[in-house]
Amino acid sequence: AQSVTQLGSHVSVSEGALVLLRCNYSSSVPPYLFWYVQYPNQGLQLLLKYTTGATLVKGINGFEAEFKKSETSFHLTKPSAHMSDAAEYFCAVTNRDDKIIFGKGTRLHILP
Amino acid sequence: DGGITQSPKYLFRKEGQNVTLSCEQNLNHDAMYWYRQDPGQGLRLIYYSQIVNDFQKGDIAEGYSVSREKKESFPLTVTSAQKNPTAFYLCASTRSFDSEAFFGQGTRLTVV
Repeated sequence: AQSVTQLGSHVSVSEGALVLLRCNYSSSVPPYLFWYVQYPNQGLQLLLKYTTGATLVKGINGFEAEFKKSETSFHLTKPSAHMSDAAEYFCAVTNRDDKIIFGKGTRLHILP
Repeated sequence: DGGITQSPKYLFRKEGQNVTLSCEQNLNHDAMYWYRQDPGQGLRLIYYSQIVNDFQKGDIAEGYSVSREKKESFPLTVTSAQKNPTAFYLCASTRSFDSEAFFGQGTRLTVV
């Protein structure tokens, strides 16, 4: 069975500082991994995805994530936070044989 | 433009009433999903469907029902058996299990 764990339900960073949102997964077969962003009262939008190939994945709005198989991790980073990055972020995992599973989400707060 | 349309955006239900939330997609996706979102609890899967005329219960199916008579439509009925229906409901679709999910804008249901 697959699972996703996001460490920290709330993360606060100062504007201009590094953003790091943590995601660990469990999957018995090679996973496909995703990060989504949700703004208030809206649906989720895809930020980036890893399926196969290069382990460092670049997404929209300057975000990137690195797939580390040995650590079963897929942490999301952005070098410099902007006020517009304040939102809730969800990590998700799937594979060919099973439905997509979402983590519980991390709310990112940007401090001026 | 292709996408997922949820309606209505806001819905009010009296206690003891059934209400139906609409979800339509024109992405030609096979799989569709319904999630419930409550503050601090992430996305919880209610029902999902991989093909027309077939669907499976998710983690919190009690008090809900669905149908999948057409590929593009996956309506969710919140029945009077659901004791705490006030929540934000999200519909999503995927081309297949190993592809990213596309989300609607959500329906906020409130019991009055």
